[in-house]
Amino acid sequence: GEDVEQSLFLSVREGDSSVINCTYTDSSSTYLYWYKQEPGAGLQLLTYIFSNMDMKQDQRLTVLLNKKDKHLSLRIADTQTGDSAIYFCAGMDTGRRALTFGSGTRLQVQP
Amino acid sequence: DAGVTQSPTHLIKTRGQQVTLRCSPKSGHDTVSWYQQALGQGPQFIFQYYEEEERQRGNFPDRFSGHQFPNYSSELNVNALLLGDSALYLCASSLVVRGSSYNEQFFGPGTRLTVL
Repeated sequence: GEDVEQSLFLSVREGDSSVINCTYTDSSSTYLYWYKQEPGAGLQLLTYIFSNMDMKQDQRLTVLLNKKDKHLSLRIADTQTGDSAIYFCAGMDTGRRALTFGSGTRLQVQP
Repeated sequence: DAGVTQSPTHLIKTRGQQVTLRCSPKSGHDTVSWYQQALGQGPQFIFQYYEEEERQRGNFPDRFSGHQFPNYSSELNVNALLLGDSALYLCASSLVVRGSSYNEQFFGPGTRLTVL
């Protein structure tokens, strides 16, 4: 099955760019997702990338996918204090339609 | 349009008891998946219901069971509760589109279960 790993913590200053990294083991994941979780809340889908793409941009968010190294990253431009949250990458096992999540990266944005 | 709703918000039980959690999917969705999120961890897939049947299951014991009703809402039941069952239980709904592998799952706010 899929195994997904993320760094635990990232601290940036407001206005800087944030880059959150993720590695995964199962190359059969057709889609890879980024979710955001704020304290006491559920998961909010931020963006996703199809496995045959290298990059996807959506407003302040840029997703980069390196299939050879099985590495996924999420770049947040002009990071704001409201971006402080835990960010999860997840792979979709398309046969099971089940998500496999990493352990999450806590992003702290300092004013 | 209401998103995914879950009840109750919080629940406290003691070891050995049984618990039922409820989920109403987003309007138009027909599939419900349940995830367990332990403190400081990412969510773990428990099982998924579609057309009132359990279609997929993660690595969880039989103490975890569920049900889906004709209106697509779902319940998660956990028997013989253990301390380790304390977690945030998340429900996610989606729509199966035949011929498409894309499956966007919308999550509810979760039910926080504490087992004492």
